[in-house]
Amino acid sequence: NAGVTQTPKFQVLKTGQSMTLQCAQDMNHNSMYWYRQDPGMGLRLIYYSASEGTTDKGEVPNGYNVSRLNKREFSLRLESAAPSQTSVYFCASTTGGQEGYGYTFGSGTRLTVV
Amino acid sequence: EDKVVQSPLSLVVHEGDTVTLNCSYEVTNFRSLLWYKQEKKAPTFLFMLTSSGIEKKSGRLSSILDKKELFSILNITATQTGDSAIYLCAVEGRGYQKVTFGTGTKLQVIP
Repeated sequence: NAGVTQTPKFQVLKTGQSMTLQCAQDMNHNSMYWYRQDPGMGLRLIYYSASEGTTDKGEVPNGYNVSRLNKREFSLRLESAAPSQTSVYFCASTTGGQEGYGYTFGSGTRLTVV
Repeated sequence: EDKVVQSPLSLVVHEGDTVTLNCSYEVTNFRSLLWYKQEKKAPTFLFMLTSSGIEKKSGRLSSILDKKELFSILNITATQTGDSAIYLCAVEGRGYQKVTFGTGTKLQVIP
């Protein structure tokens, strides 16, 4: 099983450029998440999708949009990149059932905005 | 607002030492507390705790939750250099299906 696959692994953008980070999971999980990780800030939730067809804002949604394309895929879009969006981005998924389950993370995307 | 505080922020120990990492939390409608190990890339799942007083163990790692005092500890005995990593604590609340992470404890084990 591939688990959670993120692409690309690295990206450098110029300020104002746009890009989409892709995430796909093959575990039939209901819920998917996008986090960013910055030094000293820990992992912060950008957006999440509790189930196919729904998306909700997390702690730091400004400057981002998401699409839950189907049950497998959850993409994160930066419409106009800013240096403050330089970070490591992680996609994660979980079954989202009544019992809490551990989250499975992708390997991350290191994004630099210059 | 849900909150997770981990201590210490960083720790340097020698191989063979025992370490205790702390995690305190405030969360609305607690569902579970999660521990992760993060080496170079993605966090990897260690434990999920939902009930007070029940220790979870995996090899040299163990963890326990106190829901009354709102904290958890992660113990690592006979530490090895391969235990060097950032250890993340997270809490999951009901209703939003989301997780709040602490900033992590950076553990360095030196030979």
